Amino acid sequence: NAGVTQTPKFRILKIGQSMTLQCAQDMNHNYMYWYRQDPGMGLKLIYYSVGAGITDKGEVPNGYNVSRSTTEDFPLRLELAAPSQTSVYFCASSYSRLADEQYFGPGTRLTVT
Amino acid sequence: GQSLEQPSEVTAVEGAIVQINCTYQTSGFYGLSWYQQHDGGAPTFLSYNALDGLEEKGRFSSFLSRSKGYSYLLLKELQMKDSASYLCAGRDTGRRALTFGSGTRLQVQP
Repeated sequence: NAGVTQTPKFRILKIGQSMTLQCAQDMNHNYMYWYRQDPGMGLKLIYYSVGAGITDKGEVPNGYNVSRSTTEDFPLRLELAAPSQTSVYFCASSYSRLADEQYFGPGTRLTVT
Repeated sequence: GQSLEQPSEVTAVEGAIVQINCTYQTSGFYGLSWYQQHDGGAPTFLSYNALDGLEEKGRFSSFLSRSKGYSYLLLKELQMKDSASYLCAGRDTGRRALTFGSGTRLQVQP
């Protein structure tokens, strides 16, 4: 099993550009999450999904959108990138019964200049 | 929402025992998890306490007191590779997502 995979690993965006961060998992987990982590800080939840077709906002959803058309994939869309979105983005997944045990992808380091 | 408080940094010597604390202001969490994160890496799950008491997993133990809003992670026989950040995380009753603390950076010195 590959676990949770994320692409790209690194990206530099100009202010106002848009992009999609890809996330996929092959563990048949129904819960998936997107977090951002700023330097020296903990993880802040952006969006999460409890199954295909179901998404919900987390703590910091502004400037982002998500969709969940399959169990495996959970892309995160950034529209009109701003410098405040410079961060490391982690995707994670878990079983619904074990939502406290999350498996994380390697992360995407995004810089907006 | 809930918040979890952790010391920002702890230093210990190789071979020693270190305790990393996590406190929260209400008792509204289902339970508490601990994650390890090396510099530049992704968080990895270490332990979960659903009930009060001590859970032991090899060199790592985790304790929870829900009535006191308090948890700690105990690392024994410290090794250099244990140098990392340790994050506690809780899930509010009725929510399906975790809230993470800011993390405690552990430096293990020879």
